[in-house]
Amino acid sequence: GAGVSQSPSNKVTEKGKDVELRCDPISGHTALYWYRQSLGQGLEFLIYFQGNSAPDKSGLPSDRFSAERTGGSVSTLTIQRTQQEDSAVYLCASSHQGGVYEQYFGPGTRLTVT
Amino acid sequence: SQQGEEDPQALSIQEGENATMNCSYKTSINNLQWYRQNSGRGLVHLILIRSNEREKHSGRLRVTLDTSKKSSSLLITASRAADTASYFCATDGVNAGGTSYGKLTFGQGTILTVHP
Repeated sequence: GAGVSQSPSNKVTEKGKDVELRCDPISGHTALYWYRQSLGQGLEFLIYFQGNSAPDKSGLPSDRFSAERTGGSVSTLTIQRTQQEDSAVYLCASSHQGGVYEQYFGPGTRLTVT
Repeated sequence: SQQGEEDPQALSIQEGENATMNCSYKTSINNLQWYRQNSGRGLVHLILIRSNEREKHSGRLRVTLDTSKKSSSLLITASRAADTASYFCATDGVNAGGTSYGKLTFGQGTILTVHP
């Protein structure tokens, strides 16, 4: 595809439910990143993938958050037992290799936990 | 706290004027990047400046980097109403091994409003 795509664009869920957010990176990009943007915390790094492995998960806020990447392409961010403080825009980005390469961001998924 | 601190938090100017935004950071970096965000959604990459570079241009954008002061500035010349957006600086830090992999730390951003 031409750019990074994310789905769904908006998700409203009830507190306690699980949600899955999907990211399709630019074809050929080996590095993939998840970020979260919320009013109180700004833009925060969550997790980094190089290929299918995640050498840095340090930004995941709790063990309710997990992510995987398969085939060196699509990534899924899963939030279990959602809480209201999980409400945010979740942004995915990919880059050619990581490091000094610019990152291309998707449009984000706006998650609202009621 | 955020690695990058930006000022001003908000900037309002008239079309045709120049807009300057500043960013400061705390730790050693591999590179610094500027992004634009419209309507709180996806970020658009504007320019990347490496730690061994001092100035970079792209169209109406000019970015400077002063690693001794741990600061950067973004200048938009001859601004247009379409430049209205939030602008973020993001630093790619150096890990313990002296390398980086693109984990970006963002500033709080500057909201730029350009009045026609």
